[in-house]
Amino acid sequence: DADVTQTPRNRITKTGKRIMLECSQTKGHDRMYWYRQDPGLGLQLIYYSFDVKDINKGEISDGYSVSRQAQAKFSLSLESAIPNQTALYFCATSAKNYNEQFFGPGTRLTVL
Amino acid sequence: AQSVTQPDIHITVSEGASLELRCNYSYGATPYLFWYVQSPGQGLQLLLKYFSGDTLVQGIKGFEAEFKRSQSSFNLRKPSVHWSDAAEYFCAVAGYGQNFVFGPGTRLSVLP
Repeated sequence: DADVTQTPRNRITKTGKRIMLECSQTKGHDRMYWYRQDPGLGLQLIYYSFDVKDINKGEISDGYSVSRQAQAKFSLSLESAIPNQTALYFCATSAKNYNEQFFGPGTRLTVL
Repeated sequence: AQSVTQPDIHITVSEGASLELRCNYSYGATPYLFWYVQSPGQGLQLLLKYFSGDTLVQGIKGFEAEFKRSQSSFNLRKPSVHWSDAAEYFCAVAGYGQNFVFGPGTRLSVLP
């Protein structure tokens, strides 16, 4: 089984809809991250969490919110989706005191 | 703040040829450096990392990278490319306790 899973893998939605992307991990890591990938821009950090009670904004958090329901679960929400949020979204984890990150398979989101 | 540049957006090589992907970083202290590979439809997989010590780092799938502090570079190399190496490659830099910063990526195409 994969260590980091994301659901759904693909989602098409309409402008103004609320969307939740979910991430679960079995690696036992404290740190979890949400990234957005756009062609030619690499990965940009949306939000990150160092533990259940610690949530931090990344470089592009506007229009997004997150919830850390447990050590193993970290959800990303788009309260009112807009077309320029069409992108590939990745969840990642890392152990405390280490920087190596482990990535999920990604969620391809299309906002029409 | 740290930053990463990957000067080559797209590289095409013939199968069996050697490969070098360039990565330059900007960071004021000793960096942690990473190369990740993203195959089509997949998440990111770690190829190799540099934390300290020997500046020539061996990774998976026959890849290696050399850290050159004087040039602020961490170039990825492979002596003989296989068709399965066609993918997108991302260089990333982090500092102790700092978040990752990813480069924009280099897409590798392999000709038969």
